[in-house]
Amino acid sequence: TQLLEQSPQFLSIQEGENLTVYCNSSSVFSSLQWYRQEPGEGPVLLVTVVTGGEVKKLKRLTFQFGDARKDSSLHITAAQPGDTGLYLCADSGNTGKLIFGQGTTLQVKP
Amino acid sequence: DVKVTQSSRYLVKRTGEKVFLECVQDMDHENMFWYRQDPGLGLRLIYFSYDVKMKEKGDIPEGYSVSREKKERFSLILESASTNQTSMYLCASSLIYNEQFFGPGTRLTVL
Repeated sequence: TQLLEQSPQFLSIQEGENLTVYCNSSSVFSSLQWYRQEPGEGPVLLVTVVTGGEVKKLKRLTFQFGDARKDSSLHITAAQPGDTGLYLCADSGNTGKLIFGQGTTLQVKP
Repeated sequence: DVKVTQSSRYLVKRTGEKVFLECVQDMDHENMFWYRQDPGLGLRLIYFSYDVKMKEKGDIPEGYSVSREKKERFSLILESASTNQTSMYLCASSLIYNEQFFGPGTRLTVL
């Protein structure tokens, strides 16, 4: 069974700081998604990465997919309070069902 | 924009009650999913459906059933609610498996 491990579990930073969170898989990703879940809401898809070494940018968020397609990182530049939430990585595996990591809870203080 | 709506944001039920959670999507997606989310356990798949009247068990189907009579609607049923089913329930839909759109969730408390 594929396992996705996210680190760190919790992160509390001041507004304006940079941060990186990680997602590692016990097996090669089929295709990797990153979601953000704000408190009391459902997850919202941020990005999908498929190709090893791929880098995608979404405003202040940079997503990187490892060359071997077993790891990924999300870097946020100049974090803002609106970035607060739970960041989840997920893989469709080879069954078509999404497998989620446990998530990284990010708190950005004003 | 895809919209996935869930019938209630908050629900309080008593042990033994039958509970219906409704989910509706407006983008003609074939696939629909029900998850529960608990602290420390992440999102766990309960059931999913890839077509009308079709259903597949997820990782934790025990104590739940589902119904999909129309393409846009996927219902989760707790036949006899128990306290260990207190959780956040999330519905999702997708055109393809690896990009799911989630509803806002229903926070269910079973007393």
